[in-house]
Amino acid sequence: NAGVMQNPRHLVRRRGQEARLRCSPMKGHSHVYWYRQLPEEGLKFMVYLQKENIIDESGMPKERFSAEFPKEGPSILRIQQVVRGDSAAYFCASSPPWGVSTDTQYFGPGTRLTVL
Amino acid sequence: AQKVTQAQTEISVVEKEDVTLDCVYETRDTTYYLFWYKQPPSGELVFLIRRNSFDEQNEISGRYSWNFQKSTSSFNFTITASQVVDSAVYFCALGGYQKVTFGTGTKLQVIP
Repeated sequence: NAGVMQNPRHLVRRRGQEARLRCSPMKGHSHVYWYRQLPEEGLKFMVYLQKENIIDESGMPKERFSAEFPKEGPSILRIQQVVRGDSAAYFCASSPPWGVSTDTQYFGPGTRLTVL
Repeated sequence: AQKVTQAQTEISVVEKEDVTLDCVYETRDTTYYLFWYKQPPSGELVFLIRRNSFDEQNEISGRYSWNFQKSTSSFNFTITASQVVDSAVYFCALGGYQKVTFGTGTKLQVIP
């Protein structure tokens, strides 16, 4: 059973470009979470999605950031017009559709975004 | 609101010494989960332990041990006979409903 997969693992963008980060949850998991880790900091919750629904986006920056988890395919975290401050590691986690979700969150390896 | 405090930013120990990493948390939830993760220089998160709020038994796994004290809202992590491979950033985390709150991490350096 493959774990949570994220791609790309490393992404380099120039200021003003768009960044698309993908997360494929574990098999059977229908809940996805995105976290951001700025350099020298801990992970911060960004958004929680279920299939086709955003459940909690209280940690998402108000502008330029969006997330989706379509019925088919991976979850996408999209950052438009990236700035240097967006450089960070972005971690995805998934959990199954039962129980207390944070009991069973599994983390992916992360995508390291560098904005030049 | 949930909060996790790891007061130790960086710790250096000499190999074979014991070291304890402190973690204090705040939550209003009656059911919650506590975690420790290791983040080596390669950057991935390595899961170490999960403990639920109803289980205050201490746990030992090899050189690792965890002390959960609900009365003081603490979940400390001890590495016995530290090794150079233990050098990493260690995160304590609190899982409530739907989201996990991480501490700011403790950077452990084990000197040979």
